[in-house]
Amino acid sequence: DSGVTQTPKHLITATGQRVTLRCSPRSGDLSVYWYQQSLDQGLQFLIQYYNGEERAKGNILERFSAQQFPDLHSELNLSSLELGDSALYFCASSASSGPRETQYFGPGTRLLVL
Amino acid sequence: TQLLEQSPQFLSIQEGENLTVYCNSSSVFSSLQWYRQEPGEGPVLLVTVVTGGEVKKLKRLTFQFGDARKDSSLHITAAQPGDTGLYLCAGSHASGGSYIPTFGRGTSLIVHP
Repeated sequence: DSGVTQTPKHLITATGQRVTLRCSPRSGDLSVYWYQQSLDQGLQFLIQYYNGEERAKGNILERFSAQQFPDLHSELNLSSLELGDSALYFCASSASSGPRETQYFGPGTRLLVL
Repeated sequence: TQLLEQSPQFLSIQEGENLTVYCNSSSVFSSLQWYRQEPGEGPVLLVTVVTGGEVKKLKRLTFQFGDARKDSSLHITAAQPGDTGLYLCAGSHASGGSYIPTFGRGTSLIVHP
């Protein structure tokens, strides 16, 4: 158990819909990262938040947005869903922000868009 | 885009064999990490290497960072079925005051008893 929780564990929805994925970091961690993992693209970094503010941005689509709240939990919003958005979405947290920080990954949310 | 190429993509071996997994890039990374991921779970960090030429050992696993900090290898001695999993390398590079993590596609390892 990494100490990072993600909900829901599974999500099935239809194209065009909007969903929200939630992540609670390990106690005391200030950084939250979001990743998308698919068979054809591997693990892709989407976005990082540090203490409530956006810190780094990766391959995140404009249809996707995220935020980190004052209690440090984070939400990833996916809108206008397409079939290709079906993937595993992971959240990870770390104590601080930097290349050598240990990232602790949550169990992921499996999203299926039909 | 900073790319990390991992090889081989798949590896199926017998218990007791040795193996090496490679992670290569044309770019220099500030640091490089190796993760292991089991089905249905998130990746778990194995090691972080930061200095060119660095070698780290974790029981039967030996990690090496290339002198130029562009490549790395993971060597497993006397593999066991419990080593089965997806091995991912990840590098971070500086971009505009922040660090962007990049993951390789992974090496899927199966160790047969």
